Amino acid sequence: NAGVTQTPKFRILKIGQSMTLQCTQDMNHNYMYWYRQDPGMGLKLIYYSVGAGITDKGEVPNGYNVSRSTTEDFPLRLELAAPSQTSVYFCASNDPPRRNTGELFFGEGSRLTVL
Amino acid sequence: QQQVKQSPQSLIVQKGGISIINCAYENTAFDYFPWYQQFPGKGPALLIAIRPDVSEKKEGRFTISFNKSAKQFSLHIMDSQPGDSATYFCAAIPSGGYQKVTFGTGTKLQVIP
Repeated sequence: NAGVTQTPKFRILKIGQSMTLQCTQDMNHNYMYWYRQDPGMGLKLIYYSVGAGITDKGEVPNGYNVSRSTTEDFPLRLELAAPSQTSVYFCASNDPPRRNTGELFFGEGSRLTVL
Repeated sequence: QQQVKQSPQSLIVQKGGISIINCAYENTAFDYFPWYQQFPGKGPALLIAIRPDVSEKKEGRFTISFNKSAKQFSLHIMDSQPGDSATYFCAAIPSGGYQKVTFGTGTKLQVIP
């Protein structure tokens, strides 16, 4: 059971470049999320999706875009990369039993450096 | 965004000792308080969670204590082991669910032999 799979694990970008972080889950979860993790800052929600075709902004969406064409996939697009986007990015999913609580399943992360 | 303040930032405990990590939240209606454990190079994983209608929950060596009136909750790790060395995050989930989650800033725990 693969769970939540993220690619790539590491990437170095130059300022102004664009790239897509891939995320796929095989648990048939409706809810998917993208977080960024910065040292001493905890996890911040970038975007989330409650089902195919439905996405919404989280706490820190600027500089990012997402799409959700299937239940399994939730790619995160970085346009015009900036040094402030240097971070570790985590994709997560869940299918909450009630009121969207329960366990959140995370991928292993994608470490992005923008130089 | 509501804040959750987590302390300490780092913690060193001897093997067999008790590790205690604290979180405090602001005045809002939270429904769910999970703790996540993260090993280096891995994503966070749910460790234990509590709802505000109970004051304590225990799972093995891990216990959450919850003080609703003080708006505080804490994680206690009894008989701490080197394998517990990880970063621990508390979180508070309001009725809006994980879309509105607030994570603490994390505590890096090191258990030394």
